[in-house]
Amino acid sequence: EIVMTQSPATLSVSPGERATLSCRASQSVSTNLAWYQQKPGQAPRLLIYGASTRATGIPARFSGSGSGTEFTLTISSLQSEDFAVYYCQQYNNWPPLTFGGGTKVEIK
Amino acid sequence: QVQLQESGPGLVKPSETLSLTCAVSGYSINSGYYWGWIRQPPGKGLEWIGSIYHGGSTYYNPSLKSRVTISVDTSKNQFSLKLSSVTAADTAMYYCARQVALIAPFDYWGQGTLVTVSS
Repeated sequence: EIVMTQSPATLSVSPGERATLSCRASQSVSTNLAWYQQKPGQAPRLLIYGASTRATGIPARFSGSGSGTEFTLTISSLQSEDFAVYYCQQYNNWPPLTFGGGTKVEIK
Repeated sequence: QVQLQESGPGLVKPSETLSLTCAVSGYSINSGYYWGWIRQPPGKGLEWIGSIYHGGSTYYNPSLKSRVTISVDTSKNQFSLKLSSVTAADTAMYYCARQVALIAPFDYWGQGTLVTVSS
């Protein structure tokens, strides 16, 4: 099983600032890595797939990078609606599909 | 627009079987793709339960495999989850979702349904 580790667990950021979230895989997942955003009481929403491709309708302030075992999600200028929990997920080698433990982005 | 909607009992007794259905609209399951179940215990992260291909091939999380059955009913355009011998640890929000390929993320999700295991 591929273990996905996200850091930090919580990130405190002021509106307008940049947020950088990390995700590490226990073995290579190539670029078969997705990022999801989850707000309280809502289902996760796909943000990024293929490590760096934005899903339909996702603003350009969200960007993803990385390959192999190290990945980054960057939110260039945080808006109020971006405060949420973010999960990475690998879909390269399954079963099982695996998710990271999440990073909560909170208002500083 | 593709929509998924989970339904089923919100309360299940310990040792019984949890049964949920995901109704799909805006897309015919018979046309293809993979359809999955993911759960999230209160305040915790996401756990993939399993997925089914429209043709019926199934893929399960090894940690749950002995208790999980996922099936598809193309005539009703829905797929279902059964989880047997439930305990309090199975209390979670259960989501259904779509994958367009074997190597693909979940692009459409249902809103989720909370299932509580309690006597």
